[in-house]
Amino acid sequence: EPEVTQTPSHQVTQMGQEVILRCVPISNHLYFYWYRQILGQKVEFLVSFYNNEISEKSEIFDDQFSVERPDGSNFTLKIRSTKLEDSAMYFCASIPQGRTGELFFGEGSRLTVL
Amino acid sequence: SQQGEEDPQALSIQEGENATMNCSYKTSINNLQWYRQNSGRGLVHLILIRSNEREKHSGRLRVTLDTSKKSSSLLITASRAADTASYFCATDANDYKLSFGAGTTVTVRA
Repeated sequence: EPEVTQTPSHQVTQMGQEVILRCVPISNHLYFYWYRQILGQKVEFLVSFYNNEISEKSEIFDDQFSVERPDGSNFTLKIRSTKLEDSAMYFCASIPQGRTGELFFGEGSRLTVL
Repeated sequence: SQQGEEDPQALSIQEGENATMNCSYKTSINNLQWYRQNSGRGLVHLILIRSNEREKHSGRLRVTLDTSKKSSSLLITASRAADTASYFCATDANDYKLSFGAGTTVTVRA
């Protein structure tokens, strides 16, 4: 069964460093999302992406965040200068063109900022 | 905020028993979805119920939606040890920008 894959599964970085989290959505999906979950807290929407541009972003998604679809398969989330509070699980999700229902989530990338 | 809020926060039941959890939200929605998350893993979609639906079934899952009360319930019948997980409701008011609740942690004892 096709699935959303995310790399790395866990990344440890120093505060102030840049991090890129990668996602390979399901091949025929057209809408892409990033969500994050700080340990013990709710899953929060970060950004949605369609047709090579951001559709919507939350207040969390400030100037230190960016997303890109550099080629036909990868979808990346970049955090330019990480802060301690960026430590979280970051989930990529995608849905097909019909958008009839579920989001398909990846297993997540755990980011630890020291 | 339209975020869903689950109740109870935690639930411990014996294998074979039913598990019921509730979700309340604040604003109008297009649909409401339930997801399962095993510890440290990703979110797995369980079921979606649209705002014009009142009840939906999928295998051992039964979901209800009461838009007048802005609430939903998820019932898992004949629970199994493998059902041990956190369960989240997520409301969709706009374009799959989901608002998740804090989740209900379900422990099924063998």
